[in-house]
Amino acid sequence: DIVMTQSPSSLAVSAGETVTINCKSSQSLFGSVRQKNYLAWYQQKPGQSPKLLIYLASTRESGVPDRFIGSGSGTDFTLTISSVQAEDLANYYCQQYYDTPYTFGAGTKLELK
Amino acid sequence: QVRLKESGPRLVQPSQTLSVTCTVSGFSVTSYHVSWVRQPPGKGLEWVGAIWKGGSTDYNSALKSRLSISRDTSKNQVFLKMNSLQTDDTGTYYCAKLGLYYPSFDYWGQGVMVTVSS
Repeated sequence: DIVMTQSPSSLAVSAGETVTINCKSSQSLFGSVRQKNYLAWYQQKPGQSPKLLIYLASTRESGVPDRFIGSGSGTDFTLTISSVQAEDLANYYCQQYYDTPYTFGAGTKLELK
Repeated sequence: QVRLKESGPRLVQPSQTLSVTCTVSGFSVTSYHVSWVRQPPGKGLEWVGAIWKGGSTDYNSALKSRLSISRDTSKNQVFLKMNSLQTDDTGTYYCAKLGLYYPSFDYWGQGVMVTVSS
């Protein structure tokens, strides 16, 4: 199974700051056929279902604000949230869909400082 | 629009079988893959398994011996059955639609919270 290691587990921020969440996979998520990285980022607010933010490592889902930026390739990926807003306080998960079993990172809790 | 809704029991006794139904609208389960994901209270997400649009299935290897995912294409429903439930199976069970070409989970149901307790 591909292990997803996400860091940090929690992050305390002030509104307007830029934050970075890291995600490392135990093997490359780069698919040579389509030349894409099979990694997604999800946001989950308390009491809600997860919401897809980013797919293919860097493609923003429709309707997601452009302050959410996904980057990285191979085994190392990053979610950057620029100018954090109060509504961004949530848990964030990375997930690989390169191969089954699909696996998630343990999550990063974004809290208000 | 795309919608998924889980339904099933909120309380299941240990050693019994869990049956959850995912009713979808806005797409056909024969055109898109559907997956199950669960989340213990206060913890992270765990992929349970999937039924691909062609009808074949894939399961989390840790759950495979207890798990069955099936569908009724006439009703556009997907079913999760898990037997020999234990207390650590307690959690919210979500069904999610996968993107067609790049199977991230683009739509999720609201989830159903299942407690395993006597």
